[in-house]
Amino acid sequence: SAVISQKPSRDICQRGTSLTIQCQVDSQVTMMFWYRQQPGQSLTLIATANQGSEATYESGFVIDKFPISRPNLTFSTLTVSNMSPEDSSIYLCSALAGQGARETQYFGPGTRLLVL
Amino acid sequence: AQTVTQSQPEMSVQEAETVTLSCTYDTSESDYYLFWYKQPPSRQMILVIRQEAYKQQNATENRFSVNFQKAAKSFSLKISDSQLGDAAMYFCAFSGNTPLVFGKGTRLSVIA
Repeated sequence: SAVISQKPSRDICQRGTSLTIQCQVDSQVTMMFWYRQQPGQSLTLIATANQGSEATYESGFVIDKFPISRPNLTFSTLTVSNMSPEDSSIYLCSALAGQGARETQYFGPGTRLLVL
Repeated sequence: AQTVTQSQPEMSVQEAETVTLSCTYDTSESDYYLFWYKQPPSRQMILVIRQEAYKQQNATENRFSVNFQKAAKSFSLKISDSQLGDAAMYFCAFSGNTPLVFGKGTRLSVIA
C-alpha cells in the first residue's frame, strides 16, 4: 500500500490568484495522478504526473490552468492558476502502488479549495 | 472510452441488514480491474474491495463481497451486517490501461 499526504488540507483563495497543492507519497511510485471532485460529484481525472517529463492532461484540462510538477518518484505538485469560483473543488492526489496483480490506486486526503 | 454507471444515487439500510449497490461498466478491453471505494464525510477515499477481470471467483473482504458478472459487465457490492460506520459515498471504479474511471457514486445511509 501507499500512504499519501497533501498540503494544504484546505484553503480559501481570492479569484485571480494561484494555489499550489503538494502531494507526498511514503514510497517510490511509478505513476501519480491528480483528480478533481466538484461539490456532490464524482472524481474526474485532471492529469497523470510523469516523472521527468510533462504531465499528460485529460480532455478539458490544460497545462496553463493546471501546471503539474513531478521532480521525483515520491512527490508532485498541482497548481490551480488564475482561480475563479468555478475552481472550488476538492483536489485529490493519487498514486499507483503494489506489484503486478496487486497494483492499486491509493488516494491522499484531498485539498478542499474555496475560491471567493 | 470506458464508462462506469451507478444507477442508485442513494440507498439506505437498517443496521445489521444487508444491502447491495449496483454498478455496470462498458469497455472493449479484456484485461482490467474493478474496484469499490468508500468516501466517508472525511473525504478520504478508502479502497473497499477489488476484482481482477480474469478471475471468475468473486472477491470478498470480511463483510464486503462482490457479484462480478463479466458477460453482463456488472459489478455489484454486497455489504452484510451493515454498521453505522458503513455510511458513506461508495464509488465503483474501472481500471484497464488507463487510470481509474469512476461512477457517479451511491450515497449509503445506515439506519440505527
